[in-house]
Parts: sequence; structure tokens; C-alpha cells
Amino acid sequence: AQTVTQSQPEMSVQEAETVTLSCTYDTSESDYYLFWYKQPPSRQMILVIRQEAYKQQNATENRFSVNFQKAAKSFSLKISDSQLGDAAMYFCAYRSLVVADKLIFGTGTRLQVFP
Amino acid sequence: DTAVSQTPKYLVTQMGNDKSIKCEQNLGHDTMYWYKQDSKKFLKIMFSYNNKELIINETVPNRFSPKSPDKAHLNLHINSLELGDSAVYFCASSRGGTSNQPQHFGDGTRLSIL
Repeated sequence: AQTVTQSQPEMSVQEAETVTLSCTYDTSESDYYLFWYKQPPSRQMILVIRQEAYKQQNATENRFSVNFQKAAKSFSLKISDSQLGDAAMYFCAYRSLVVADKLIFGTGTRLQVFP
Repeated sequence: DTAVSQTPKYLVTQMGNDKSIKCEQNLGHDTMYWYKQDSKKFLKIMFSYNNKELIINETVPNRFSPKSPDKAHLNLHINSLELGDSAVYFCASSRGGTSNQPQHFGDGTRLSIL
């Protein structure tokens, strides 16, 4: 079974600085999808970025980018020019191509942003 | 317009009661899900439905019974509520069959058992 690990329960960053959130996963599959979701205090689950495992190029979405290392099974999220509104729980998630109908989540990282 | 809407947003009830949470999506998706987020914020799949058919049941007690009257709705009924059922329940939907399609989540229902 696949597992997703986020080893940083909490992280903090100064406004305008850069922060990287770690995620590792375990799978025997060669093709799959990875996602980062953000959950602010409002409780919504908001998709931040996604990566297809067959793509070597790292995904980017404005200030958010990933460092996808397939061999190392690592999928970190980099937030550049951090803003106060980035403060939230961040969840890394795995989606299999074999059993495609569920997301497997990590335990989350709480990000604090200081002015 | 809200894409995935759940009602109610908050539910406070006594142990032993039966309650339902409704979920509707207007995205035209054919797959819907229920996730449970516990007090430590851990999110775990409970059920998924594709075209009204149950695809995944992750060893959820049979006190939990999902019902999908059509592709746009997936309701969750819980019988004989227990203290351990206190959690936030999220409904989600996606276009099934293509795994790169992200799941869109509702705002969650916080269930508190007294």
C-alpha cells in the first residue's frame, strides 16, 4: 500500500521569504499523480499544484513550485515571496493510476507566516 | 456558485442519534467521495462512488451508509453515532477515469458528538 509522509509538523517563514515543505512517499507503481492541497483556517481544501510522475519537468504555479525527485520518491513544495495569506495547513497527496479513486494524504504541515 | 456544497456546515448531536450530511456538486463530475478528517487533521478516504456505484469502502463501520441518488449527489447517513465519530467530513468530486484530474472539495461538515 502507498504511504505519504510529511516529516515537518510545523514550519514558519518571514513574509517575502522562501520556504520549502517536504513530502516523501512510498509506492511500487511507476506512474501516479502527486498533489499539494492547502487548508486555511476556513477549513476549505484548495488545490495548490499537481505533478504527473511521468513528467520530468517540475510543476510551477505562480509563486508555488515543486521539486519532484522520482527516484528518491520526494515531492517538496517551494513557496516563494511568502504572503500572510499563505498561512495554512499544507497536505501532500498521492493518487494511484491503478486504484484511481482516492487520494492518500500525508499528515500535513502547518505553515506560519510572520510579518 | 459553489462547486461542491455540503450541508450542514456544523452538526452537534447526542451519542446514539442518527444524522445525515448532504453533498451536491454542479461540476458535471461522475465520481464523488467522502473523506474524514480527525482531530489531528489526518484526512482519510471513506467512500468513493462512480456513476452512482460504490467503488471504494475503506473498512468503514456499516453504521455509515452513503447514498448516491444521482451523479450530482452523495449523501452520508450515520446511525447510532459514537463519540469517535466526531470529526470534519469532507465531500469531494472529480472527473473519474483520468487520475490527473484534481478532486474538488466541499467546505466540510464539523460533526460534534456530545
